[in-house]
Amino acid sequence: QKEVEQNSGPLSVPEGAIASLNCTYSDRGSQSFFWYRQYSGKSPELIMSIYSNGDKEDGRFTAQLNKASQYVSLLIRDSQPSDSATYLCAVNSGGFKTIFGAGTRLFVKA
Amino acid sequence: EAGVTQSPTHLIKTRGQQATLRCSPISGHTSVYWYQQALGLGLQFLLWYDEGEERNRGNFPPRFSGRQFPNYSSELNVNALELEDSALYLCASSLAGPTMSYTFGSGTRLTVV
Repeated sequence: QKEVEQNSGPLSVPEGAIASLNCTYSDRGSQSFFWYRQYSGKSPELIMSIYSNGDKEDGRFTAQLNKASQYVSLLIRDSQPSDSATYLCAVNSGGFKTIFGAGTRLFVKA
Repeated sequence: EAGVTQSPTHLIKTRGQQATLRCSPISGHTSVYWYQQALGLGLQFLLWYDEGEERNRGNFPPRFSGRQFPNYSSELNVNALELEDSALYLCASSLAGPTMSYTFGSGTRLTVV
């Protein structure tokens, strides 16, 4: 079992729709959870971080964490073509290293 | 504030040669991480340095090594290059602690021919 799993996609949504990206992780001791966005040919950039169960909202982005189910998600409201990128879920289990998922490719169609 | 800087941007080497990649973290960041991203694949953890010490390494052979200097900059060395080492090598830095997010550099594209 992979430590951090994401559906590779591609996930295609129309402009203005809600994009839902999901991630599961294997280590129950994980403490910190991150979503990064990576445009083609570029380096990843942090979008959201979440540390406790529940929802965290930042603009059009909402991160959701459920530690009991070992599940993290990212919702993008009012999706724009500029949101088209690969979204990486990352999990830190206590300072050793952060494990990244393989990423979900998102396409937002104009 | 300057971000994480990596050099060189591109590097072309012949199989069997050695490659040296460099990274300067954000000022105040003591932790430096190295990741390999092969084409179409996810980020694979290589090495973590903090306060000059190697804290952890991923599942890579010993020919991948590195170090962190007193100014917290870091160097990744890859010996006896193989064709499959061709990838984007990303350096990230952070403050110390498991809750800290990473800031990535723009990467070094290594091509082994």
